[in-house]
Formats: sequence, structure tokens, C-alpha cells
Amino acid sequence: RKEVEQDPGPFNVPEGATVAFNCTYSNSASQSFFWYRQDCRKEPKLLMSVYSSGNEDGRFTAQLNRASQYISLLIRDSKLSDSATYLCVVGGTSYGKLTFGQGTILTVHP
Amino acid sequence: SAVISQKPSRDICQRGTSLTIQCQVDSQVTMMFWYRQQPGQSLTLIATANQGSEATYESGFVIDKFPISRPNLTFSTLTVSNMSPEDSSIYLCSVPAGSSSYNEQFFGPGTRLTVL
Repeated sequence: RKEVEQDPGPFNVPEGATVAFNCTYSNSASQSFFWYRQDCRKEPKLLMSVYSSGNEDGRFTAQLNRASQYISLLIRDSKLSDSATYLCVVGGTSYGKLTFGQGTILTVHP
Repeated sequence: SAVISQKPSRDICQRGTSLTIQCQVDSQVTMMFWYRQQPGQSLTLIATANQGSEATYESGFVIDKFPISRPNLTFSTLTVSNMSPEDSSIYLCSVPAGSSSYNEQFFGPGTRLTVL
């Protein structure tokens, strides 16, 4: 079983749609959780951290369920510029080590 | 956030040769990390580069194949030795955003390596 699993997609949605990504992790000792965004041929960039209380940043909402070892990302009112690969990332089990999911590809079309 | 640069940005190499990738950060950091991203795959941690001590390698990666140097708190190198086509990947360095092991990391732009 992979340490971090994501639905690879691809997700193809029209502008304005709401799309949700899910992720599960296997190590219950994990302490930190993130969503990164990676554009084609670019490095990953932090989109947002994920907390048990949930957090929202504009059109983006992230949720963490520790009991189920489940992380989600919701994107509302999708824009063309949201097209990218979204990486679920888990850390905190050993110093500095981040474990990446395989990524979910999102394409937003006009 | 830290500003990270890598050299070279890309290279095409012959099998059996070695390539050294440089990573420079604009601020002092205790730890730097090296990742590999194989074509169509996500990132996998190769090793953690500690200043003043040997690097710590993840399972499946060995020092003879990926020697790492960390001469100071702003710089590190990763060498890909005796390359084969299977080493064709993007190699990225990263630094943590803070001193906690729970912090997110910032990534360099990556080095795109093709081995013929």
C-alpha cells in the first residue's frame, strides 16, 4: 500500500465548476499535511497547509480527518489558471521528510 | 520564503558518466533535501543533507550512487554517478520553511537530466 494515495484523475471540468480531490495516508503518526500545486515543467509550490479544524483560502478549502487518515481539497468557481497537478503531501514522521502522493491532474476548460 | 537556485537547469549525459548538481539558497538553513521526480511520477526523497555530517539516505538510495556534499549552510551538491537511462529524472533540492520538522518545504526549480 502506498504511503499517500490520491485519485490520479485526470479531472476535466468547465470554468466555474466545483471540484474535490481526496487523499488517504497510511502512517497514523504523520503530523503535517499539505496540498502543493505543480505546473507543467515547474517545481511544486505550496498551495496550503491542512489542519484538523479545516482551513480556507479564497476559493480553496482543505480538510483533514485524522481518524480516517483522509485529506481533501475543494476548489470552488474553477478558473483556467487552476489547471495543474495537485499533490497531497504528508510529513512529520521523521525530521523534514515529506511523502508525496502521485498527484491529481486537473484541467479546467472554457 | 527562501530563494533557491539550481545548476544546471538541464543536461543530457552519456551513460557511465557522472553529473554534479548544485543547489544554492539565499539564507542559512540547517537541513537541505534532495528529491527525484521520474517521468510521470511524483517526488521521492533521496536524502537529507546535513551541514557538518554525512547525508542521511532513504531506502533504495546509496551514497556511492548519489554522493552529497554540504560544505556550508547555504549550499549543497548532489552527484548522480555512473549514470544509466533509468536515472533520467528531474532532481530537486528543497529547504524547510522553518526549524520545525512539521514545516512545509520550498523547492528549487529542478535539474532536468536525460541520460542516453
